[in-house]
Amino acid sequence: GQNIDQPTEMTATEGAIVQINCTYQTSGFNGLFWYQQHAGEAPTFLSYNVLDGLEEKGRFSSFLSRSKGYSYLLLKELQMKDSASYLCAPMDSNYQLIWGAGTKLIIKP
Amino acid sequence: GAVVSQHPSWVICKSGTSVKIECRSLDFQATTMFWYRQFPKQSLMLMATSNEGSKATYEQGVEKDKFLINHASLTLSTLTVTSAHPEDSSFYICSASVGRENNEQFFGPGTRLTVL
Repeated sequence: GQNIDQPTEMTATEGAIVQINCTYQTSGFNGLFWYQQHAGEAPTFLSYNVLDGLEEKGRFSSFLSRSKGYSYLLLKELQMKDSASYLCAPMDSNYQLIWGAGTKLIIKP
Repeated sequence: GAVVSQHPSWVICKSGTSVKIECRSLDFQATTMFWYRQFPKQSLMLMATSNEGSKATYEQGVEKDKFLINHASLTLSTLTVTSAHPEDSSFYICSASVGRENNEQFFGPGTRLTVL
């Protein structure tokens, strides 16, 4: 079956760094997306990884290891507005995104 | 670029009525549009995938006669919830992509449906 595993909730301090891990099992693989979703809003795109390694984009970086079925999202210099849910979504062999429940990130001052 | 709009943003209706939600890609032509439903504190659930000019592909457990999807053009898809009931109350989100491979899905802002 297809499965996504992320922590349900994480707490971090403003200005700090946090890493959100994701392990996945899919039928085939065509890359992995990270989305941010604020409460009551639709998801917004953060990153896409299809090759192993680290992709850096400003304060956010995403890492992928296809052999391990593992990815992480790294958020630096945390700001209060980063409080949101972060969704790890791998794409299967049918180019369909597989969604988990996401990780709710709480930022404290 | 890559803006997707949804209308309405929220709707309240009586049980038994039908509700139509529009999804538009404003600055690009969307080969494929997706319809999701999300209940509070749960993951996005894909309801159906639609390609312009062809019938939508529904996910298992989603009633195609209840959730009518029309993808009449490369910039517009509609979801009609027919004979809505309180259990249909949810956050409905559409997304659009320009191609099959790689492509990120661009999400609309969502429509919150409340059925009384």
